[in-house]
Amino acid sequence: QKEVEQNSGPLSVPEGAIASLNCTYSDRGSQSFFWYRQYSGKSPELIMFIYSNGDKEDGRFTAQLNKASQYVSLLIRDSQPSDSATYLCAALNYGGSQGNLIFGKGTKLSVKP
Amino acid sequence: DGGITQSPKYLFRKEGQNVTLSCEQNLNHDAMYWYRQDPGQGLRLIYYSQIVNDFQKGDIAEGYSVSREKKESFPLTVTSAQKNPTAFYLCASSIVGGPREQYFGPGTRLTVT
Repeated sequence: QKEVEQNSGPLSVPEGAIASLNCTYSDRGSQSFFWYRQYSGKSPELIMFIYSNGDKEDGRFTAQLNKASQYVSLLIRDSQPSDSATYLCAALNYGGSQGNLIFGKGTKLSVKP
Repeated sequence: DGGITQSPKYLFRKEGQNVTLSCEQNLNHDAMYWYRQDPGQGLRLIYYSQIVNDFQKGDIAEGYSVSREKKESFPLTVTSAQKNPTAFYLCASSIVGGPREQYFGPGTRLTVT
């Protein structure tokens, strides 16, 4: 069964620190990976996606992908209390069921002022 | 403004009643999806559609039905056959090509008593 695993947390970091969120996936055929942020009671919001090995930066966010290790991470620099949310990792296999995402259960991040 | 709308935001129903959740998008996306989210759980795919007049079952389609008569609309009916219908329902859409990143609507919180 195809799975995406995340540490449920909570991960607590002080304001201004780097938050590191990790995700592993079981399907070696997965080709694109997505990070969503979900505030309590709200719907997921896409932060960024990555499909090439290495790093991809967007503002304070950096996604890292290592396909050999089947590992994806999201770094949040200069963490702010407004970053406190649950972060969902998702993987996509284009050859799978019509391009459907497999989601992890999410990691809850708490940024303390 | 382009986006996805879901209505209503909150819905209360008695057990044994069918209920239809609305999802509309003006992003010109071909693909649309319905997910269910339970507390502490990841998103689980109910149904998806890649093109008008065609849709496929996801991982937990039992007790649900959908239609796709227009590109912009993908309503979900929760039938009385669904054993545990109380949940947060999320609609998403994406293009069919490329990374296929999915964008979510605000969600409908359904409570059945």
